[in-house]
Amino acid sequence: IQMTQSPSTLSASVGDRVTITCRASQSISDWLAWFQQKPGKAPKLLIYKASTLESGVPSRFSGSGSGTEFTLTISSLQPDDFATYYCQQYNSYWTFGQGTKVEIK
Amino acid sequence: QVQLMQSGAEVQKPGASVKVSCEASGYIFTDHYIHWVRQAPGQRPEWLGWVKPNTGDTNYAQIFQGRVTMTRDTSISTAYMALSSLRSDDTAMFYCARGNRDTFDIWGQGTMVTVSS
Repeated sequence: IQMTQSPSTLSASVGDRVTITCRASQSISDWLAWFQQKPGKAPKLLIYKASTLESGVPSRFSGSGSGTEFTLTISSLQPDDFATYYCQQYNSYWTFGQGTKVEIK
Repeated sequence: QVQLMQSGAEVQKPGASVKVSCEASGYIFTDHYIHWVRQAPGQRPEWLGWVKPNTGDTNYAQIFQGRVTMTRDTSISTAYMALSSLRSDDTAMFYCARGNRDTFDIWGQGTMVTVSS
């Protein structure tokens, strides 16, 4: 199953509402997770089962979608949120999107 | 706290093998699968396979079949990933990750493997 994210890069300012899209090449129901990765660090789980927030993750992060189209939304971008975000499907094995880098505008 | 601690960076020659360890702490090692993920510089993460600590069962991604071996030692709560016939395009960060809720909730800090002659 191929995962495609858009955009590849996103320029935004602190306080902006940010949305990242992830599309699956076939239906994956809601078997989708979102990860945040900062340079030199391991990915960090933010959301699983498309919309369930991992414990300890700020509520400004939210996920939605099912089937083949999913979104990750950050309601008010904070300085700590500048990072690369990956979606991951786990309907059939595990594959990741190519990533979306959120950079400072 | 729950954590996975990996072994240090490796430099290997083409054709050689590498073995990376991943020591678990803060939870019952045999309760969760350990997955291994490769991430080449600037690339997306790529799943290599899993080992089930309580039985030693394994499942490898097709593209790594024949080159990867995953094992575990329950007496020291440690999982291992060995990759053979190394090529330059195996140069990457390798991560172990704990399986939970069918995804990966805790990751090791990563082990950089450099393949160079």
